[in-house]
Amino acid sequence: AQTVTQSQPEMSVQEAETVTLSCTYDTSENNYYLFWYKQPPSRQMILVIRQEAYKQQNATENRFSVNFQKAAKSFSLKISDSQLGDTAMYFCAFTDRTASKLTFGTGTRLQVTL
Amino acid sequence: GAGVSQSPRYKVTKRGQDVTLRCDPISSHATLYWYQQALGQGPEFLTYFNYEAQPDKSGLPSDRFSAERPEGSISTLTIQRTEQRDSAMYRCASSLGGTTDTQYFGPGTRLTVL
Repeated sequence: AQTVTQSQPEMSVQEAETVTLSCTYDTSENNYYLFWYKQPPSRQMILVIRQEAYKQQNATENRFSVNFQKAAKSFSLKISDSQLGDTAMYFCAFTDRTASKLTFGTGTRLQVTL
Repeated sequence: GAGVSQSPRYKVTKRGQDVTLRCDPISSHATLYWYQQALGQGPEFLTYFNYEAQPDKSGLPSDRFSAERPEGSISTLTIQRTEQRDSAMYRCASSLGGTTDTQYFGPGTRLTVL
């Protein structure tokens, strides 16, 4: 079974600084998909970024980028120029063609401070 | 619709009562998912639909939980004889096609069983 591990329960970063959230996963599949979702205090679940495992290039969405290391099964999220609105719970998630669902990690609570 | 909608947003019920939660997916989306999210945890898969078919309901915790999507659009999740342990956020998501397509989440229904 696929597993997703987020080893940082909480992190803090000052406004305008850069922070990296870690995620590792375990799978025997070669073709799979990884996601970062953001859950702000409103408890909405918002897609941040998506990465296809067959793509070597790391995905980027404005201030958000990933460092995808397939051999190490690592998928970290980098947030540049952090803003107060980035304060949220961040979930890493995984799926592949054999699965019918997303498998989520336990989340990292990020606090952006002044 | 423009996004996934769920109703009600909040539901408080007494132990032993039945509850029905509703999900209205993005109109062009074939696939619909239900997840359960306990406080401080990532969402856990319950079941999914491809149009009106329900290929996987392996995540439903017991036979008290059931879901349907009779016309391939709106879906309902019913919990019979609710128990306090059923208290959670119930999230619906939809995706355009297969299960590796990006899932877009609704705002969730927070269920409290007294």
